Amino acid sequence: AIWMTQSPSLLSASTGDRVTISCRVSQDISGYLAWYQQKPGKAPELLIYAASTLQSGVPSRFSGSGSTTDFTLTISRLQSEDFATYYCQQYHSFPPTFGQGTELEIK
Amino acid sequence: VQLVETGGGLMQPGGSLRLSCAASGFSVSSNYVSWVRQAPGKGLEWVSVFYSGGNTYYADSVKGRFTISRDNSKNTLFLQMDSLRAEDTAIYYCARGGLGDWAYFDYWGQGTLVTVSS
Repeated sequence: AIWMTQSPSLLSASTGDRVTISCRVSQDISGYLAWYQQKPGKAPELLIYAASTLQSGVPSRFSGSGSTTDFTLTISRLQSEDFATYYCQQYHSFPPTFGQGTELEIK
Repeated sequence: VQLVETGGGLMQPGGSLRLSCAASGFSVSSNYVSWVRQAPGKGLEWVSVFYSGGNTYYADSVKGRFTISRDNSKNTLFLQMDSLRAEDTAIYYCARGGLGDWAYFDYWGQGTLVTVSS
């Protein structure tokens, strides 16, 4: 299986900040990467697929970039509702696998 | 689009449980729908998928113990879980495959909690 490593595991930031979350993959997955947001007690929600395509309804302050083995999720200006846990996921190879998550907390 | 899971609960090791995922707003027969689980305080793990064409696939951790099925007339997906182990304890989500690819997930249910403990 393909391994996904996210960094950092915990990120402290303030409203209005620009933040980036990294996702490193154990082998080349081209652009087959998705990002999800999960709030406590809720199901994950799709933010981005194909590494950089914003899911319908997701605010434009979210963006994704990268290819092959290195990917980034950027939130340009943090809003209060963005404090949550973020997961990357590869869907290039079977089985689909997820990163361990990055918790974004209020500083 | 909505997915609603039911059927979770407390089960002893070695027992069986059947989860249901009722879909609305789309047809399970023409979409790929997966089960994804999350152990308490942990990350996400893909479990199984039912292809629109009828093929089914499983994670190695559940192969031979779990069976995915669907009832097109009820627009519902199922997960039969046998020989349950403590490590199967998790919230189980059903999730629809995304546009053009079964293996990312654009809609998720709220999840149902399965606890395996004696």
